[in-house]
Amino acid sequence: EDQVTQSPEALRLQEGESSSLNCSYTVSGLRGLFWYRQDPGKGPEFLFTLYSAGEEKEKERLKATLTKKESFLHITAPKPEDSATYLCAVTYNFNKFYFGSGTKLNVKP
Amino acid sequence: NAGVTQTPKFQVLKTGQSMTLQCAQDMNHEYMSWYRQDPGMGLRLIHYSVGAGITDQGEVPNGYNVSRSTTEDFPLRLLSAAPSQTSVYFCASSPRRAEANYGYTFGSGTRLTVV
Repeated sequence: EDQVTQSPEALRLQEGESSSLNCSYTVSGLRGLFWYRQDPGKGPEFLFTLYSAGEEKEKERLKATLTKKESFLHITAPKPEDSATYLCAVTYNFNKFYFGSGTKLNVKP
Repeated sequence: NAGVTQTPKFQVLKTGQSMTLQCAQDMNHEYMSWYRQDPGMGLRLIHYSVGAGITDQGEVPNGYNVSRSTTEDFPLRLLSAAPSQTSVYFCASSPRRAEANYGYTFGSGTRLTVV
């Protein structure tokens, strides 16, 4: 059973067109939810950690939020350099982490 | 600082061959792990270690061995390569607990093809 589901699988935006990516998780007892960015041919790069429902974190054009069942990564006025695959991961004990399959974002100029 | 260094970057193996993927970090991180990334399946945890001398299995451990003799190194051994092990392998490290706004630091990956 999938623990983490990300949607959409792919998203094409025009530069400046804001949108949100979704990460939903299916089990209880979440200790932390993580967002990463992955560029082609590279390892994922850490963006945010969220620990409890209601928490929000921001970095430049990105804002991550967390509810009891899902997290959103909001991208405000994206630029072409924001194009990447965005991954989320959850952990219940900080030893094992479960990743979603990612959302591939393409921002056109 | 180099961060997390993985070698080799690319490798082709024949079915049944064995090999070791190397991973080293210079950040004094206690926690290290190995993931494989396959198209459409996301990253899946193979093995992890919470410190020197301590290792445990992740989601997909079969066919792989690990050891952690030092804080810096965490090699992954493929005992008898199979085509199903064709994948991109990532090593990652973090401070002991991935909290206080610390996430993983990932290496750049090893692309392995088993023919």
